[in-house]
Amino acid sequence: GDSVTQMEGPVTLSEEAFLTINCTYTATGYPSLFWYVQYPGEGLQLLLKATKADDKGSNKGFEATYRKETTSFHLEKGSVQVSDSAVYFCALANTGGFKTIFGAGTRLFVKA
Amino acid sequence: DAGVIQSPRHEVTEMGQEVTLRCKPISGHDYLFWYRQTMMRGLELLIYFNNNVPIDDSGMPEDRFSAKMPNASFSTLKIQPSEPRDSAVYFCASSLNRNTGELFFGEGSRLTVL
Repeated sequence: GDSVTQMEGPVTLSEEAFLTINCTYTATGYPSLFWYVQYPGEGLQLLLKATKADDKGSNKGFEATYRKETTSFHLEKGSVQVSDSAVYFCALANTGGFKTIFGAGTRLFVKA
Repeated sequence: DAGVIQSPRHEVTEMGQEVTLRCKPISGHDYLFWYRQTMMRGLELLIYFNNNVPIDDSGMPEDRFSAKMPNASFSTLKIQPSEPRDSAVYFCASSLNRNTGELFFGEGSRLTVL
């Protein structure tokens, strides 16, 4: 079945450091890919998405490129801030998009 | 616009008691999902509805769990009887666009079963 694997955390970075969180997937067909972010005490919210191969999703300085050849959707940000501290989830949604599969989540701590 | 609204935000109960969690999806969204989040198992899809009809309940852990959606603006997840291993955060989410699959989550209901 479909699955998402993302790097284990926690990831601890200093402010202004470069961030990469790896995500790979297994799926039949042509899924849509997502990154969601969860701040403490809140529900998940969509950070960015890509719906087809080679698409780049971007938002709030974060970006990720849909790589079909490597089945990957790595999250990157050039300069993290303390306010980026959260849990990040990679996810995919296959045909019809109404059953979203989430990775285990990666917790990010950013130190001032 | 109001987002997905869940209640209660926190529930502490004793083993064997009935628990009912409630959700109001975003108006106009055709899909509603119930997820459970634990440290050990991450986010698990329990059940989802389309136009108030349950489509896939394969994630419901056992018969103690049941979910209903009597109308487009209300859903419940019930656990009877509750057990300590049911302690988790339960999220409701709704979705409009079936092609892109974007989900809108509520803030969750944190359940503790003693």
